[in-house]
Amino acid sequence: SSELTQDPAVSVALGQTVRITCQGDSLRNTYPTWYRQKPGQAPVLVIYGKNNRPSGIPDRFSGSNSGNTASLTITGAQAEDEADYYCNSRDNGGHLVVFGGGTKLTVL
Amino acid sequence: EVQLVESGGGLVQPGRSLRLSCAASGFPFDDYAMHWVRQAPGKGLEWVSGITWNSDNVGYADSVKGRFTISRDNAKKSLFLQMNGLRVEDTAFYYCAKDILVGSSRFSALDYWGQGALVTVSS
Repeated sequence: SSELTQDPAVSVALGQTVRITCQGDSLRNTYPTWYRQKPGQAPVLVIYGKNNRPSGIPDRFSGSNSGNTASLTITGAQAEDEADYYCNSRDNGGHLVVFGGGTKLTVL
Repeated sequence: EVQLVESGGGLVQPGRSLRLSCAASGFPFDDYAMHWVRQAPGKGLEWVSGITWNSDNVGYADSVKGRFTISRDNAKKSLFLQMNGLRVEDTAFYYCAKDILVGSSRFSALDYWGQGALVTVSS
């Protein structure tokens, strides 16, 4: 199956650590990609590959994998991290892509 | 600076056709796979289609297979999405996005996105 499952909503207190998860069979064979989307804006790449951050993404963002579950961890969440977060991956053939349903992160 | 600018969106009746375009600049367009991703109002992201740098490989979501066709013109640094047999459920913002890998035959992360073009399918 190429489906990816995310919790619809997660909350975190300001300055605390939060983990956003993504589950799917395809994650056993490939690293997921994580995107952040704020209201009215296009998505932004946050984590790709094993644990790579594009320039401009703070080092409080990190990614990890275990079996069929991938995690995006924000260590010391900031108010500006409040957004929707999406994971995605490709199938084994490399020519089909799927997104998770997204997780709405609230910073309290 | 990488720029992706979508155009061609609008209001269309069910069953009709529409063609989206994406003009790329700021990077060697012919080195990268490109993608279309859509987002219905208030909903999540849905990958629609992708095409490798040389057009040798394309992929489609099951929801659009047989109705949508992706193509590219490397000389004009442009990506296209021909949408036929449009349905009400195709209503969404359509984003053009660039793949992160150079010259790959596989799809990977999407590192730059356009601002999107709204397609509304309604009678």
